Amino acid sequence: QVTLKESGPALVKPTQTLTLTCTFSGFSLSTSGKRVSWIRQPPGKALEWLARIDWDDDKFYSTSLKTRLTISKDTSKNQVLLTMTNVGPVDTATYYCARTQAYYDTNYYPQYYFDYWGQGTLVTVSS
Amino acid sequence: DIQLTQSPSFLSASVGDRVTITCRASQGINNYLAWYQQKPGRAPKLLIYAASTLQSGVPSRFSGSGSGTEFTLTISSLQPEDFATYHCQQLNSFPLFGPGTKVDIK
Repeated sequence: QVTLKESGPALVKPTQTLTLTCTFSGFSLSTSGKRVSWIRQPPGKALEWLARIDWDDDKFYSTSLKTRLTISKDTSKNQVLLTMTNVGPVDTATYYCARTQAYYDTNYYPQYYFDYWGQGTLVTVSS
Repeated sequence: DIQLTQSPSFLSASVGDRVTITCRASQGINNYLAWYQQKPGRAPKLLIYAASTLQSGVPSRFSGSGSGTEFTLTISSLQPEDFATYHCQQLNSFPLFGPGTKVDIK
């Protein structure tokens, strides 16, 4: 059974660094083909993909946020961490981690979707 | 950059209705699209990927179609548990989500 759960501070002050942890079970990030992403959703707004880390430690970031994000993994603990620097009120959102699956098209180019999600953790940025 | 739009943004329907939601991409994306269902206070749930492949465990009343720039999610007979917000997502190395369609009770 695949489960994921996010943890981190509920309240962060502007300009601080936010660190979130995704603890998962039912798969291992040391297994070829396994991937985990972070996705966020501001209140009442659309989902926004943030970052992805793969079993081989490849990392991918949202173009608009890549200068502020760092994703890492601790395979022994089955955890994926996301740090976001210099947060502001616009970063107030529910943050989700999700197992990321690849669908290979006819050119064998991977396309990514999210088959298992954590429950999400609401982070409010306010002084 | 590719943009995704969904229509309608909101729809009211009754139990038993056939419901269709459209997702449009600003440029062709082959069949690289997924659909998710999200209920208030809950995480999204994957329904369909590769435009028309039903995720395991999802009821067969859900179906997806389309290719290129226009895609549809159809619920053949709306059930009480289907009242939710539906999101489309472009599948690539930098995934993008649509703005969502809320399906409410008429």
